[in-house]
Amino acid sequence: EPEVTQTPSHQVTQMGQEVILRCVPISNHLYFYWYRQILGQKVEFLVSFYNNEISEKSEIFDDQFSVERPDGSNFTLKIRSTKLEDSAMYFCASSADRGRGSPFSYEQYFGPGTRLTVT
Amino acid sequence: DQQVKQNSPSLSVQEGRISILNCDYTNSMFDYFLWYKKYPAEGPTFLISISSIKDKNEDGRFTVFLNKSAKHLSLHIVPSQPGDSAVYFCAASAGGTASKLTFGTGTRLQVTL
Repeated sequence: EPEVTQTPSHQVTQMGQEVILRCVPISNHLYFYWYRQILGQKVEFLVSFYNNEISEKSEIFDDQFSVERPDGSNFTLKIRSTKLEDSAMYFCASSADRGRGSPFSYEQYFGPGTRLTVT
Repeated sequence: DQQVKQNSPSLSVQEGRISILNCDYTNSMFDYFLWYKKYPAEGPTFLISISSIKDKNEDGRFTVFLNKSAKHLSLHIVPSQPGDSAVYFCAASAGGTASKLTFGTGTRLQVTL
């Protein structure tokens, strides 16, 4: 069964450093997302991406964050200068094309996550 | 921002009995609802969904009920199995292209023998 993969599973970085979190979405999916979950809190939306541009972003997704689809398979989240409060699980998700009448196009499939620890 | 609420942080059910997980929402623009199951150190796994034009959707042991007037949905698992023990998240979408999911805080289900 196709699945979303993420690397690395755990990233430790020092405050102020840049990190890149990588994701390989499900191959025939066209919509891509990043979410995060701070320990003990709910899963929060960061950004959605379609057709090589950002569709929507949350207030959390400030100028320190960027996303890119550098090739046909990878989807990355970059944090330019990490802060202590960026420590969280980061989840990548993807969903299929919203074909008219398709009952399945709203489901987002999540990767296993990258645990980011900023020290 | 509490647009999606799961008021029960935990639930314990005996194996074989029914588990009922509840979710309330406040945003009238939500038109699609999903349930995800999550084990520790893993990503959320999609379980079942329902469109706002329906009031029930069933998939095997899992049934989701939607009461739009009350802005309430529930997930029924019957019969409950020990492998169902996990955190269950309710999520909602307001539709549109690549629309984000708004998650609840989750309910930890423990199915006991």
